[in-house]
Amino acid sequence: DAGVIQSPRHEVTEMGQEVTLRCKPISGHNSLFWYRQTMMRGLELLIYFNNNVPIDDSGMPEDRFSAKMPNASFSTLKIQPSEPRDSAVYFCASSFLWGEQYFGPGTRLTVT
Amino acid sequence: ELKVEQNPLFLSMQEGKNYTIYCNYSTTSDRLYWYRQDPGKSLESLFVLLSNGAVKQEGRLMASLDTKARLSTLHITAAVHDLSATYFCTSIHGGSQGNLIFGKGTKLSVKP
Repeated sequence: DAGVIQSPRHEVTEMGQEVTLRCKPISGHNSLFWYRQTMMRGLELLIYFNNNVPIDDSGMPEDRFSAKMPNASFSTLKIQPSEPRDSAVYFCASSFLWGEQYFGPGTRLTVT
Repeated sequence: ELKVEQNPLFLSMQEGKNYTIYCNYSTTSDRLYWYRQDPGKSLESLFVLLSNGAVKQEGRLMASLDTKARLSTLHITAAVHDLSATYFCTSIHGGSQGNLIFGKGTKLSVKP
Protein backbone atom coordinates (compact mmCIF):
# COMPACT_ATOMS: atom_id res chain seq x y z
CA ASP A 1 0.00 0.00 0.00
CA ALA A 2 1.24 3.49 -0.82
CA GLY A 3 0.15 4.86 2.52
CA VAL A 4 -1.71 8.11 2.98
CA ILE A 5 -1.16 10.40 0.03
CA GLN A 6 -1.30 14.17 0.30
CA SER A 7 -0.99 16.84 -2.33
CA PRO A 8 0.52 19.25 -2.87
CA ARG A 9 3.57 18.69 -0.69
CA HIS A 10 4.37 22.37 -0.68
CA GLU A 11 2.13 25.33 -1.34
CA VAL A 12 3.07 28.98 -1.38
CA THR A 13 0.27 31.44 -1.87
CA GLU A 14 -0.59 35.04 -1.28
CA MET A 15 -2.89 36.25 1.41
CA GLY A 16 -6.49 36.22 0.28
CA GLN A 17 -6.11 33.33 -2.13
CA GLU A 18 -8.00 30.07 -1.87
CA VAL A 19 -5.99 27.01 -0.92
CA THR A 20 -7.11 23.41 -1.35
CA LEU A 21 -5.26 20.53 0.23
CA ARG A 22 -5.97 16.98 -0.82
CA CYS A 23 -5.75 13.62 0.86
CA LYS A 24 -6.17 10.02 -0.19
CA PRO A 25 -6.44 7.70 2.83
CA ILE A 26 -5.25 4.13 3.00
CA SER A 27 -7.68 1.82 1.28
CA GLY A 28 -9.99 0.14 3.77
CA HIS A 29 -9.58 2.74 6.47
CA ASN A 30 -12.85 4.29 7.59
CA SER A 31 -11.63 7.26 9.61
CA LEU A 32 -9.81 10.30 8.28
CA PHE A 33 -8.24 13.13 10.21
CA TRP A 34 -6.87 16.56 9.35
CA TYR A 35 -4.20 18.04 11.62
CA ARG A 36 -2.24 21.26 11.63
CA GLN A 37 1.23 21.54 13.13
CA THR A 38 3.06 24.72 14.04
CA MET A 39 5.94 25.45 16.36
CA MET A 40 3.77 27.61 18.55
CA ARG A 41 0.69 25.44 18.87
CA GLY A 42 2.04 21.96 18.25
CA LEU A 43 -0.17 19.36 16.62
CA GLU A 44 -3.85 20.29 16.47
CA LEU A 45 -6.74 18.17 15.27
CA LEU A 46 -8.88 20.21 12.90
CA ILE A 47 -11.59 17.78 11.89
CA TYR A 48 -12.19 14.08 11.52
CA PHE A 49 -14.51 11.92 9.49
CA ASN A 50 -15.87 8.48 10.13
CA ASN A 51 -17.34 6.61 7.16
CA ASN A 52 -17.15 9.87 5.18
CA VAL A 53 -19.25 11.76 7.73
CA PRO A 54 -17.72 14.66 9.68
CA ILE A 55 -17.80 13.70 13.36
CA ASP A 56 -16.02 16.55 15.09
CA ASP A 57 -15.02 19.83 13.50
CA SER A 58 -14.53 21.75 16.72
CA GLY A 59 -10.87 22.19 15.91
CA MET A 60 -11.52 24.08 12.70
CA PRO A 61 -10.22 27.54 13.57
CA GLU A 62 -12.63 29.69 11.59
CA ASP A 63 -15.28 29.66 8.94
CA ARG A 64 -12.52 30.23 6.43
CA PHE A 65 -11.69 26.55 6.86
CA SER A 66 -13.86 23.82 5.39
CA ALA A 67 -13.36 20.12 4.78
CA LYS A 68 -15.15 17.56 2.71
CA MET A 69 -15.00 13.85 2.16
CA PRO A 70 -17.12 13.03 -0.88
CA ASN A 71 -16.10 9.37 -0.86
CA ALA A 72 -13.99 6.88 1.06
CA SER A 73 -10.87 7.56 -0.94
CA PHE A 74 -10.68 11.34 -1.06
CA SER A 75 -10.84 14.35 1.21
CA THR A 76 -10.12 18.05 0.84
CA LEU A 77 -9.32 20.82 3.25
CA LYS A 78 -9.99 24.28 1.90
CA ILE A 79 -8.96 27.63 3.26
CA GLN A 80 -10.66 30.66 1.79
CA PRO A 81 -9.41 33.31 2.05
CA SER A 82 -6.00 32.33 3.32
CA GLU A 83 -4.06 34.43 5.83
CA PRO A 84 -0.38 34.44 6.86
CA ARG A 85 -1.28 32.89 10.23
CA ASP A 86 -2.53 29.81 8.37
CA SER A 87 1.06 28.97 7.48
CA ALA A 88 1.74 25.52 8.91
CA VAL A 89 2.21 21.89 8.01
CA TYR A 90 -1.11 20.17 7.43
CA PHE A 91 -1.24 16.43 7.96
CA CYS A 92 -3.88 14.00 6.91
CA ALA A 93 -4.12 10.68 8.73
CA SER A 94 -6.34 7.63 8.39
CA SER A 95 -7.21 4.67 10.57
CA PHE A 96 -9.47 1.65 10.72
CA LEU A 97 -11.99 1.78 13.57
CA TRP A 98 -10.11 2.70 16.76
CA GLY A 99 -6.73 1.64 15.49
CA GLU A 100 -3.54 3.56 15.16
CA GLN A 101 -3.51 6.45 12.78
CA TYR A 102 -1.27 6.48 9.74
CA PHE A 103 -0.06 9.90 8.75
CA GLY A 104 0.57 11.29 5.31
CA PRO A 105 3.74 13.20 4.45
CA GLY A 106 2.08 16.54 5.09
CA THR A 107 1.56 19.72 3.08
CA ARG A 108 3.74 22.65 4.02
CA LEU A 109 1.65 25.77 3.47
CA THR A 110 3.18 29.22 3.35
CA VAL A 111 0.88 32.22 3.03
CA THR A 112 2.67 35.48 2.27
CA GLU B 1 -10.49 18.92 30.11
CA LEU B 2 -8.93 15.92 28.48
CA LYS B 3 -5.18 16.09 28.57
CA VAL B 4 -2.12 14.14 27.61
CA GLU B 5 0.95 15.45 29.36
CA GLN B 6 4.47 14.41 28.60
CA ASN B 7 7.63 15.06 30.48
CA PRO B 8 10.20 16.06 29.91
CA LEU B 9 9.44 18.18 26.85
CA PHE B 10 13.11 18.45 25.99
CA LEU B 11 15.71 15.80 26.65
CA SER B 12 19.36 15.96 25.81
CA MET B 13 21.25 12.80 26.55
CA GLN B 14 24.54 11.19 25.75
CA GLU B 15 24.92 8.10 23.68
CA GLY B 16 24.93 4.96 25.73
CA LYS B 17 22.74 6.36 28.50
CA ASN B 18 19.30 5.23 29.59
CA TYR B 19 16.30 7.45 30.14
CA THR B 20 12.52 7.37 30.48
CA ILE B 21 9.88 9.64 29.02
CA TYR B 22 6.63 9.84 30.95
CA CYS B 23 3.13 10.29 29.62
CA ASN B 24 0.16 11.02 31.87
CA TYR B 25 -3.28 11.08 30.35
CA SER B 26 -6.70 11.96 31.64
CA THR B 27 -8.85 10.21 29.05
CA THR B 28 -10.86 7.17 30.02
CA SER B 29 -9.52 5.09 27.17
CA ASP B 30 -7.27 2.11 27.77
CA ARG B 31 -5.45 2.67 24.51
CA LEU B 32 -2.20 4.54 24.30
CA TYR B 33 -0.09 5.21 21.22
CA TRP B 34 3.46 6.39 20.76
CA TYR B 35 4.60 8.17 17.62
CA ARG B 36 7.95 9.37 16.43
CA GLN B 37 8.55 12.46 14.28
CA ASP B 38 11.88 13.28 12.68
CA PRO B 39 12.56 16.94 11.85
CA GLY B 40 10.68 18.00 8.76
CA LYS B 41 9.00 14.62 8.47
CA SER B 42 5.66 13.08 9.21
CA LEU B 43 4.62 11.07 12.26
CA GLU B 44 5.40 7.38 12.38
CA SER B 45 3.60 4.95 14.65
CA LEU B 46 5.92 3.25 17.15
CA PHE B 47 3.79 1.40 19.65
CA VAL B 48 0.15 0.59 20.25
CA LEU B 49 -0.64 -0.31 23.86
CA LEU B 50 -4.10 -1.79 24.28
CA SER B 51 -4.43 -2.95 27.85
CA ASN B 52 -3.21 -2.49 31.38
CA GLY B 53 0.24 -3.89 31.83
CA ALA B 54 0.98 -3.95 28.12
CA VAL B 55 4.65 -3.78 27.27
CA LYS B 56 6.07 -3.44 23.78
CA GLN B 57 9.70 -3.35 22.73
CA GLU B 58 11.39 -2.38 19.51
CA GLY B 59 15.15 -2.17 19.50
CA ARG B 60 16.31 0.25 22.16
CA LEU B 61 12.79 1.50 22.91
CA MET B 62 10.32 -0.07 25.30
CA ALA B 63 6.85 1.25 26.05
CA SER B 64 4.57 0.27 28.88
CA LEU B 65 1.08 1.14 30.02
CA ASP B 66 -0.49 1.38 33.47
CA THR B 67 -4.15 2.21 32.93
CA LYS B 68 -4.91 2.48 36.63
CA ALA B 69 -2.34 5.20 37.05
CA ARG B 70 -3.11 6.54 33.55
CA LEU B 71 0.58 6.50 32.87
CA SER B 72 2.68 5.29 30.00
CA THR B 73 6.44 5.27 29.83
CA LEU B 74 8.86 5.13 26.93
CA HIS B 75 12.19 3.79 28.08
CA ILE B 76 15.32 4.35 26.05
CA THR B 77 18.17 1.94 26.56
CA ALA B 78 21.73 2.75 25.54
CA ALA B 79 20.69 5.70 23.40
CA VAL B 80 22.19 6.21 19.96
CA HIS B 81 22.15 9.31 17.76
CA ASP B 82 19.57 7.77 15.40
CA LEU B 83 16.98 7.99 18.17
CA SER B 84 17.07 11.79 18.05
CA ALA B 85 13.51 12.84 17.20
CA THR B 86 10.33 14.10 18.79
CA TYR B 87 8.21 11.47 20.50
CA PHE B 88 4.50 11.90 21.01
CA CYS B 89 2.17 9.92 23.17
CA THR B 90 -1.51 9.99 22.39
CA SER B 91 -4.69 8.64 23.84
CA ILE B 92 -8.17 8.33 22.48
CA HIS B 93 -10.70 10.98 23.37
CA GLY B 94 -13.22 9.05 25.38
CA GLY B 95 -16.53 8.76 23.63
CA SER B 96 -15.22 9.95 20.29
CA GLN B 97 -14.30 7.23 17.89
CA GLY B 98 -10.72 7.46 16.89
CA ASN B 99 -10.09 11.02 18.03
CA LEU B 100 -6.58 11.08 19.43
CA ILE B 101 -5.44 13.63 21.96
CA PHE B 102 -1.75 14.38 21.45
CA GLY B 103 0.79 15.36 24.04
CA LYS B 104 3.12 18.25 23.23
CA GLY B 105 5.89 15.84 22.37
CA THR B 106 9.31 15.18 23.86
CA LYS B 107 12.18 16.42 21.74
CA LEU B 108 15.03 14.01 22.23
CA SER B 109 18.57 14.89 21.26
CA VAL B 110 21.21 12.21 21.62
CA LYS B 111 24.75 13.50 21.57
CA PRO B 112 27.93 11.54 21.05
